[in-house]
Amino acid sequence: DQQVKQNSPSLSVQEGRISILNCDYTNSMFDYFLWYKKYPAEGPTFLISISSIKDKNEDGRFTVFLNKSAKHLSLHIVPSQPGDSAVYFCAASAGYGGSQGNLIFGKGTKLSVKP
Amino acid sequence: DTGVSQDPRHKITKRGQNVTFRCDPISEHNRLYWYRQTLGQGPEFLTYFQNEAQLEKSRLLSDRFSAERPKGSFSTLEIQRTEQGDSAMYLCASSLRLPGANVLTFGAGSRLTVL
Repeated sequence: DQQVKQNSPSLSVQEGRISILNCDYTNSMFDYFLWYKKYPAEGPTFLISISSIKDKNEDGRFTVFLNKSAKHLSLHIVPSQPGDSAVYFCAASAGYGGSQGNLIFGKGTKLSVKP
Repeated sequence: DTGVSQDPRHKITKRGQNVTFRCDPISEHNRLYWYRQTLGQGPEFLTYFQNEAQLEKSRLLSDRFSAERPKGSFSTLEIQRTEQGDSAMYLCASSLRLPGANVLTFGAGSRLTVL
């Protein structure tokens, strides 16, 4: 049973526009959520995180929104740039801000930003 | 610090052979994780260590797999009697356990191909 779901395998947006990547989770014990970005032949790179005590966290062009009642989070990238083209993974963990154990990952969404 | 290092980056082996991967984490990190990633999937948790203690193992870690972190620094992941289904990218990550946050830093991975 997949606890973290990214239902869109791919997303294509125009440079300068907003990219919205979505993630749903099923485990109500998850209390810490992260987004990772992955380029080919590299390991995943941490992008941004959010604790369950917040509903929004912003870092430059990247904003993550958390809707606990819907068990849904989203990553907004604005404005999108061609260098943002990569696979984005949503991840979640449980136990006091995620400090107790491992991360559970979704299958990823491949973002393509066209010039 | 050069981040998380993994060796070898690529390994091609014949079915039935044993393989070993090495991971050198970020030096001040006390936690070390092993994940496996196959095509079209997100990273799947295998096991993690806090210092030299192996705290959690996934059901994916069959008895052909063994991981060690003898002195709480580098770690090895050994796969005995490899099968074609073991072909995957093996990712190592490390983190510093902190309350309220658990951000994993990944290495570039070791790609295994079993013929």
